[in-house]
Amino acid sequence: SQQGEEDPQALSIQEGENATMNCSYKTSINNLQWYRQNSGRGLVHLILIRSNEREKHSGRLRVTLDTSKKSSSLLITASRAADTASYFCATGFGNEKLTFGTGTRLTIIP
Amino acid sequence: GAVVSQHPSWVICKSGTSVKIECRSLDFQATTMFWYRQFPKQSLMLMATSNEGSKATYEQGVEKDKFLINHASLTLSTLTVTSAHPEDSSFYICSGAKNIQYFGAGTRLSVL
Repeated sequence: SQQGEEDPQALSIQEGENATMNCSYKTSINNLQWYRQNSGRGLVHLILIRSNEREKHSGRLRVTLDTSKKSSSLLITASRAADTASYFCATGFGNEKLTFGTGTRLTIIP
Repeated sequence: GAVVSQHPSWVICKSGTSVKIECRSLDFQATTMFWYRQFPKQSLMLMATSNEGSKATYEQGVEKDKFLINHASLTLSTLTVTSAHPEDSSFYICSGAKNIQYFGAGTRLSVL
């Protein structure tokens, strides 16, 4: 079963705009991760945020975590056509099994 | 980051045949590998956890006799879909764990 829901399910924006997607989860976590999946491909790890962190940055990516609300958000700034992909949050770490959210399909319109 | 190679990337087979998918960690040793299944426009669903040298742990609802997993070395895990049927057609993805999970590129299985 899915750990959480992602919102929105699909998002289309113009190139250059910012994209925000949200993830909610159900159980207590030690960390939360975000992955990107290009169509028909495997997943690429983007960023990991620990439960004691509230915000983390990596290049054009900004992730927030609110453990009181059991939610996380991924912000992609200054979007590019190459950012078109599906984005998944996941809980679990290392040798633990990952439980994925439902995913957000992001389309960047050139 | 670490690299996981998955092969083949695409396979078409006749109903009733068996298909083997390989997952290799190329530059690290993965004591644990995971196998996921993904339907179109859906998220990944964990099928099983593969531990080197021991039996795989299957998720509820996954038939262990249908999806045979072997993890004979620290760099190789295989998934064999036995007596494949059209409903087994799906996208299968493996991952190797090294602090975080590194994913293979996936295998698209089409059963005719």
